Amino acid sequence: KAGVTQTPRYLIKTRGQQVTLSCSPISGHRSVSWYQQTPGQGLQFLFEYFSETQRNKGNFPGRFSGRQFSNSRSEMNVSTLELGDSALYLCASSFATNEKLFFGSGTQLSVL
Amino acid sequence: DQQVKQNSPSLSVQEGRISILNCDYTNSMFDYFLWYKKYPAEGPTFLISISSIKDKNEDGRFTVFLNKSAKHLSLHIVPSQPGDSAVYFCAARWGGSQGNLIFGKGTKLSVKP
Repeated sequence: KAGVTQTPRYLIKTRGQQVTLSCSPISGHRSVSWYQQTPGQGLQFLFEYFSETQRNKGNFPGRFSGRQFSNSRSEMNVSTLELGDSALYLCASSFATNEKLFFGSGTQLSVL
Repeated sequence: DQQVKQNSPSLSVQEGRISILNCDYTNSMFDYFLWYKKYPAEGPTFLISISSIKDKNEDGRFTVFLNKSAKHLSLHIVPSQPGDSAVYFCAARWGGSQGNLIFGKGTKLSVKP
């Protein structure tokens, strides 16, 4: 069974630009969660989608948004990028919701 | 306010000895706890979990202990191997299946040969 796939693997953007990250969950998984990892901050929860509906949202500004498609694939968008948005963005999927997450390798975003 | 705390950013252990990673939490509503391991340039991988109705769960070399009264859990790795060198994240969840996972900041374990 293929794991969680995130694309692209690396991304370099400049301040003010916007970016879209993609996540394909494990086949059969309907829940997709997004986390931001920065040095010294651990994994901070962004949001969770289940059956195309946002179920939970973390404490991030409105510049961070996401969506989930009918095939459970998910995208995350960050608009008006700031230097502080540089981080590893991790997507995780689960069959139900958040009981045991399976993570992708992440997208390393660098904002210059 | 950090609800899940891993107060030791790093830990160094000799191969063959026991590694003990600690985690404290503040929310008494948490009912499910997990440990994840993360290697550089990879996503975290699930290691072991424990429900709040138990105080111990074992899986091979890995054992998680939960002390609800102290709001503390620990991960024991016996014996430690160099391949265990990674960052370990503690995570907790509340609200049955409705809550999202809250992660600690991680502890970097180095197992020296």
